[in-house]
Parts: sequence; C-alpha cells; structure tokens
Amino acid sequence: DQQVKQNSPSLSVQEGRISILNCDYTNSMFDYFLWYKKYPAEGPTFLISISSIKDKNEDGRFTVFLNKSAKHLSLHIVPSQPGDSAVYFCAASARSQGGSEKLVFGKGTKLTVNP
Amino acid sequence: EPEVTQTPSHQVTQMGQEVILRCVPISNHLYFYWYRQILGQKVEFLVSFYNNEISEKSEIFDDQFSVERPDGSNFTLKIRSTKLEDSAMYFCASSVLGREGAFFGQGTRLTVV
Repeated sequence: DQQVKQNSPSLSVQEGRISILNCDYTNSMFDYFLWYKKYPAEGPTFLISISSIKDKNEDGRFTVFLNKSAKHLSLHIVPSQPGDSAVYFCAASARSQGGSEKLVFGKGTKLTVNP
Repeated sequence: EPEVTQTPSHQVTQMGQEVILRCVPISNHLYFYWYRQILGQKVEFLVSFYNNEISEKSEIFDDQFSVERPDGSNFTLKIRSTKLEDSAMYFCASSVLGREGAFFGQGTRLTVV
C-alpha cells in the first residue's frame, strides 16, 4: 500500500544550489500535504504544508509546489545549506470522519548537502 | 519552544512482556497520535486520540495495543504482550487541531528480545 511515494531514496547537492525533493500520491482523497525533516535519533520536524486549494506555498528557503492533476508535489530548498542534510518525508492526509486526519508518510529521501 | 517529550528514549523488553511508552504532548494541543517506524520502513500511523477517546486506529493497532490519557497531561501507549515484530521506533505526536502539521516527539526505541 504505497499511497505516498518518494521514488528517490537519496539526493546529493552542492551547498548554495537548489534541492528538489519529489513526492507522488495515489489517493485522490488527500487534500493536505506536509513535508517533515528528520535527523538521526530525532522525531520528524514539521517543515511546511500545503492545502489542495493552493498550488504553491513558500516559507523562507522552502517552497512546496502541488500539481493536483499529476498527483505530485515537490519541495524546493534554495539555497541549500549543509545543515539541511537530513531525511525528508512527504506526508499526506485526508479529512476523516473523526477529524483526526492521520498522516500517511512516504519512505523518505535522504538529502546530503555538500560544502 | 514547546515540544512533545517521550520517555524512555530506549526500552528493551522480553517477548511477551508488557510495555508502556509515555508521552507528554504540547499543553494546548487537542489531538494526540502514536506512530511507529520499523527500521528501514515508513513511518506508520497507529492511533489518534481526541476528547478522551480513540478517533481512528490502523490495522496495526490490534487488541494488544491500548492508549490512555490518565491525568490530562500524559498520553501513554501500552503493548500488552510484546512480540519481536513490535521492535520499532515509536513516535508520539500532537496537534492543536487535526488540520495542521503534527509536532512529533523524539521517539522511543523499543527493542523486543
């Protein structure tokens, strides 16, 4: 059951360049999408989110783009910094009856930013 | 900055034993969650809790699992009779409303031997 897919297990970029992390989803009921960053031995840290009524959301160096017709979203980090090196998880949720809106996660992409 | 705290950070237990994982969510949050991540796999939803009851649970959350909010601040996950396959990192999370990014704790690594 891979409702949320991150097909690239790893990505390596040079400091100062753009990092683009991709995510695809299959469940058309998903209407809210999030990106989390995770360092080893820590919990996921919320980065940025986007509602399905939007196609772009920006927060500082982080921008998330949503293409609903393609069921695809991406996270752009520019400029990339060595401290951005972590595993990035894409997550999605669908409004549920109970309102809990559980998150469905992708497998993650390990980003390495080289100095 | 407020944070979700989990204890213990690492728990080793024998198969068949009961374990209780503890979490203190952020104080003004209303929704509470448990997720787990088996080594090398995805983070998986276990259960959500709102208004002192389970609002949703996954197939993983069978009769061996239970959650409780015993005193208005702590949120616990109990596994009654642990199995080897319960070995994983367990994350507690909370959110103000369901409709925004949940904040995760640092996790409890459960090792069942």
